[in-house]
Amino acid sequence: DAGVIQSPRHEVTEMGQEVTLRCKPISGHNSLFWYRQTMMRGLELLIYFNNNVPIDDSGMPEDRFSAKMPNASFSTLKIQPSEPRDSAVYFCASKSLTGTGQDTQYFGPGTRLTVL
Amino acid sequence: RKEVEQDPGPFNVPEGATVAFNCTYSNSASQSFFWYRQDCRKEPKLLMSVYSSGNEDGRFTAQLNRASQYISLLIRDSKLSDSASYLCVVNTDKLIFGTGTRLQVFP
Repeated sequence: DAGVIQSPRHEVTEMGQEVTLRCKPISGHNSLFWYRQTMMRGLELLIYFNNNVPIDDSGMPEDRFSAKMPNASFSTLKIQPSEPRDSAVYFCASKSLTGTGQDTQYFGPGTRLTVL
Repeated sequence: RKEVEQDPGPFNVPEGATVAFNCTYSNSASQSFFWYRQDCRKEPKLLMSVYSSGNEDGRFTAQLNRASQYISLLIRDSKLSDSASYLCVVNTDKLIFGTGTRLQVFP
């Protein structure tokens, strides 16, 4: 079975540019999470969706960040405009809200973002 | 105070050694607990859940002390392949990750 798919795997951009990160959750999972990981702050939850609805976006750093989940199989995280301090690895994760193992989140391989 | 605190390490141990990692959490209403493993430049993966009575999975033993808000992971007979970061994770209404403890096992 395919796991969580993220694209691109690496992104290098210049300050001020728009960045869009993409995620396809595991089929059948109805909860999706966006995390950011840096050496200094570790893994931080940015936002999560249940059944395509944003539930908690308190971790989104500021208005430059936005996330959407137009359907059960696709989500985007957008940064506009990007800044060097946004450089990090961005992970998407998904899980099922029901059944066994509902506490287990499955992570994608991450997008390594560098903003110059 | 961070919600989940871990010693960042690194812990450098020889093959065959026993090593223990500790973690404390601040929210007494936390519902469930986990250890995740993260290899360098890879995504975190669930290692094991942590149950109140303590639980074991092969060489790995996890313990939870709710009164002290403390979680531990014990690895026996360390292997080179155990080298990774171990993230302590606490579930309130969402998963809160510690910054991880780095383990390096040497021959």
